[in-house]
Amino acid sequence: DGGITQSPKYLFRKEGQNVTLSCEQNLNHDAMYWYRQDPGQGLRLIYYSQIVNDFQKGDIAEGYSVSREKKESFPLTVTSAQKNPTAFYLCASRGMNTEAFFGQGTRLTVV
Amino acid sequence: GESVGLHLPTLSVQEGDNSIINCAYSNSASDYFIWYKQESGKGPQFIIDIRSNMDKRQGQRVTVLLNKTVKHLSLQIAATQPGDSAVYFCAETHYTGNQFYFGTGTSLTVIP
Repeated sequence: DGGITQSPKYLFRKEGQNVTLSCEQNLNHDAMYWYRQDPGQGLRLIYYSQIVNDFQKGDIAEGYSVSREKKESFPLTVTSAQKNPTAFYLCASRGMNTEAFFGQGTRLTVV
Repeated sequence: GESVGLHLPTLSVQEGDNSIINCAYSNSASDYFIWYKQESGKGPQFIIDIRSNMDKRQGQRVTVLLNKTVKHLSLQIAATQPGDSAVYFCAETHYTGNQFYFGTGTSLTVIP
């Protein structure tokens, strides 16, 4: 079945570590997105990519990095520069003239 | 960025009643609007969408109303069921655009 897959579902990070969240889609969508969601709040855009090898910063890109080497994959790295990384991270993709399709999320916790 | 706001952060309804969730958007250039449902610990799921050339669209038990004059969007859920309990988000974008803007969400609780 077509869809968008995030892994892992739960991730724990020690202080000072970089961690990478995976996002893969087989929907043949050009656009992919990363959002951060804090408890009781809406979605805030971290980065998005409209095409392979191109990406743009969203509203809260500081402390995060991404790559888009393949159409299907848009990994997000949470770097040690992100001082408050504990959150629920959502990846989404969008095809031409469609809604955004979301993955099931990764819950990142700093320990 | 753009702002998409919701009038009520929480809503409680009796099972079987109709629910109405409201949303205000700010960008007059937005022409595509989507409602998502998010259950606890899961990613948002698409419910229904509407383009700006329409003012009403119906799905199964759900209806979206769009009032472009006052930049207001609403989601109506008929005969609300316990499984409808979730957070509902509206989102705005341009149909051919690249960024979505989401509201804070409304938490719907259905009372059996």
